[in-house]
Amino acid sequence: AQTVTQSQPEMSVQEAETVTLSCTYDTSESDYYLFWYKQPPSRQMILVIRQEAYKQQNATENRFSVNFQKAAKSFSLKISDSQLGDAAMYFCACSNSGGSNYKLTFGKGTLLTVNP
Amino acid sequence: ETGVTQTPRHLVMGMTNKKSLKCEQHLGHNAMYWYKQSAKKPLELMFVYNFKEQTENNSVPSRFSPECPNSSHLFLHLHTLQPEDSALYLCASSQALAGDTDTQYFGPGTRLTVL
Repeated sequence: AQTVTQSQPEMSVQEAETVTLSCTYDTSESDYYLFWYKQPPSRQMILVIRQEAYKQQNATENRFSVNFQKAAKSFSLKISDSQLGDAAMYFCACSNSGGSNYKLTFGKGTLLTVNP
Repeated sequence: ETGVTQTPRHLVMGMTNKKSLKCEQHLGHNAMYWYKQSAKKPLELMFVYNFKEQTENNSVPSRFSPECPNSSHLFLHLHTLQPEDSALYLCASSQALAGDTDTQYFGPGTRLTVL
């Protein structure tokens, strides 16, 4: 079974600063996908970034980037130049690429506050 | 309408009521999902449909009954629920269940309160 752990229930950052959200996971699969989802107060869950485990290069998406450490099973999210609109609950998730790779395992989330 | 929509956004029901949640996706996807999001707990996958066929029932009690009449619509029929079923119910869709096309897109959710 897969597990995803987000050890920071809450984080805060000053506007324009950089913040890193932590995520560790455990899986017996050799190939899998990792995701960060954002859930703003409006509740719409939005995909932030996706990483294929077989790719060594860290995924980036504008101000969002990940630090993927496969051996350590770590998948942190870095948000640069934080904006007020980044305030949300952030969920880390893992899926495997076997026959049931649609089964996302989510962490409990990190609530990010952005201070003006 | 774009993306994944859900109605109603809020629902309050008694334990003896029967109600239904509706999800519609406008993305041309073939797979749809129901999740339950309770406070302080990770999202829990409930059901998965692929091309209208149920492929996953994650040990969900029978008081929750899903229906998928076509690839664009997904319903969750509710009857004789318990107060502990109060939660945010999220619908999601993906183009497929495998490979690079399995990224899931979520709806805004239905906030359900069972009295």
